[in-house]
Formats: sequence, C-alpha cells, structure tokens
Amino acid sequence: DQQVKQNSPSLSVQEGRISILNCDYTNSMFDYFLWYKKYPAEGPTFLISISSIKDKNEDGRFTVFLNKSAKHLSLHIVPSQPGDSAVYFCAAIPNQAGTALIFGKGTTLSVSS
Amino acid sequence: DTGVSQDPRHKITKRGQNVTFRCDPISEHNRLYWYRQTLGQGPEFLTYFQNEAQLEKSRLLSDRFSAERPKGSFSTLEIQRTEQGDSAMYLCASSSELGGDGYTFGSGTRLTVV
Repeated sequence: DQQVKQNSPSLSVQEGRISILNCDYTNSMFDYFLWYKKYPAEGPTFLISISSIKDKNEDGRFTVFLNKSAKHLSLHIVPSQPGDSAVYFCAAIPNQAGTALIFGKGTTLSVSS
Repeated sequence: DTGVSQDPRHKITKRGQNVTFRCDPISEHNRLYWYRQTLGQGPEFLTYFQNEAQLEKSRLLSDRFSAERPKGSFSTLEIQRTEQGDSAMYLCASSSELGGDGYTFGSGTRLTVV
C-alpha cells in the first residue's frame, strides 16, 4: 500500500504562474518530508525539505507547506519557469536520522512559455 | 568530483542471466544507498551501507540480489537469475549525513530483462 501518495500524475502551468504540487501520506510516524526533482536521464535531485515541527519552509521560489493533521503537504513554485519542467517526487522518512526514503509516484510538471 | 557515477547506463540481458552494476559515490561520502524505480513509480529503497557495513536491507531485496561495498568505496549490486520483473532503473545515492537532504543520486542503470 502506498504510504506516500501523489494523486496528480501531471500538471501544466503557464510561465510566471504558480505551480502547486500536492502530496498525502498515511503513516503518522513520518517526521520529515522532502521534495526531489528529476529531469529525464538524470537521477533525482534534492529540492527542499520540512520537519514535522514546522508548517512552512521557503527557499527562493520554492515553498513547502505541511498540514500534519491532514497528513498533507504541498510544494508551491512561484513564479514557475520553463526550466522547472520535470518530475517532482514527494518523499518521507521516519525521522531526520532515517535512511530509507519513501517516495510517491511523482507528478510531471510542464511549464509553458 | 563529478558526483555519483553508475555503470553501465543501460543493460539488456536475457532472463536467467546474472548482472552486476557498479556505483562510485562521491569520495567523501561514507553512506551509500541503492534504490529501484519501475515505470510509473517512485524510487523504492533497497539497501544502505555505512562505510563497508550493510546496515539496512529492504524486503524487496530478495535472495537473488546481493550488494557489496568492499573497503567502503564503490559498491556493486548483483542480480542472479534475472526475471522480467527485475526490469527497472537502479539508482545509487551517497551522502555524508542521514536524512535525505544531502543525498546525491547517480543517473542510474536501466536494466531490461528480455
């Protein structure tokens, strides 16, 4: 059973607008969450993370929001750029000292100019 | 340092054959991870090394799979008696700390079992 769910396989956004990627998780033991970005023929690259003691973390154009009671997190990209077009994976880990990342299936973001 | 290197990039093998993949991590990273990604799925954890010690193994790592990291540097992942269900992208990552922020993934080895 999927412990980390990304229910939207794809998202299309115009350049300059906001992209919102969503992720739900089922395991209340998860304590640390990450977003990875993946371009074709490359491995995933780390984008941004958030601990369960926070509800928001911001890094430039990227902001991750965590709603622990709803077991939901989202990644906001503002403004979206064509170079942001990639597959975005949500991942969770029991704690920041954990090893095995649990990934969602990914959402393919397409940003058109 | 050019990041995490994986070799080969692509491997096509016949069912029943053995295959071995290699991962060269970032030199100063003492932690190394193997993941598998099948079509339409996210990466799934297989195993974790700290230096040369294999500290964690997923139940996905059946007895046909074996991973080693001699001397705590490069790592190999061997699959014996390959099956069509083994067809996937095999990703290696390394880090100096736990937690996922510092993981650097390689570009992966694409295995196709025919």
